[in-house]
Amino acid sequence: DVKVTQSSRYLVKRTGEKVFLECVQDMDHENMFWYRQDPGLGLRLIYFSYDVKMKEKGDIPEGYSVSREKKERFSLILESASTNQTSMYLCASRVGGTGGGGQFFGPGTRLTVL
Amino acid sequence: DQQVKQNSPSLSVQEGRISILNCDYTNSMFDYFLWYKKYPAEGPTFLISISSIKDKNEDGRFTVFLNKSAKHLSLHIVPSQPGDSAVYFCAASERDDKIIFGKGTRLHILP
Repeated sequence: DVKVTQSSRYLVKRTGEKVFLECVQDMDHENMFWYRQDPGLGLRLIYFSYDVKMKEKGDIPEGYSVSREKKERFSLILESASTNQTSMYLCASRVGGTGGGGQFFGPGTRLTVL
Repeated sequence: DQQVKQNSPSLSVQEGRISILNCDYTNSMFDYFLWYKKYPAEGPTFLISISSIKDKNEDGRFTVFLNKSAKHLSLHIVPSQPGDSAVYFCAASERDDKIIFGKGTRLHILP
């Protein structure tokens, strides 16, 4: 059974803290993604990676960075958390370069920044 | 600037009837389109996709239609079932790697 796992389902942090969200997939997928989901805004792409150590900005990268040192792991980093980063964060993975097939999503991490 | 638009925030359909969810896009370079379904407190689940070289793709009760000239696609669910009640996201990719989502449409299947 294929899986995308995220390190936490719920997380509460304080403003200014450095936050790490971890995502691991066991499908040997090349592509990995980080989205955030907010009411009325749908899923917005923060960053994606198409290979180890490779990354590209999505539509809303400001305030975030990512790391992909191993193929199975894609980390989202909030350098200094702010209240407007309170959101549901979703990680996904996908076979790369196929032009087809959907992403597999993790269950999400609901982050609250106080 | 929103490249993938789902203009109906919600839709209610009687059980057993057809559900039609619509999606418009602005980027003519999109070459692949996908539909996802999402239940509360879960990640989205991939449903069906279509390449820009096709105009229809069918998988069981789900059919996606693509009208490239109108930059419009739709998802048809026939017949609609109670378990289809969820939020449906339309998504598109310009190349193989980057996938952009719409805001979603909440589908309610009425008994």
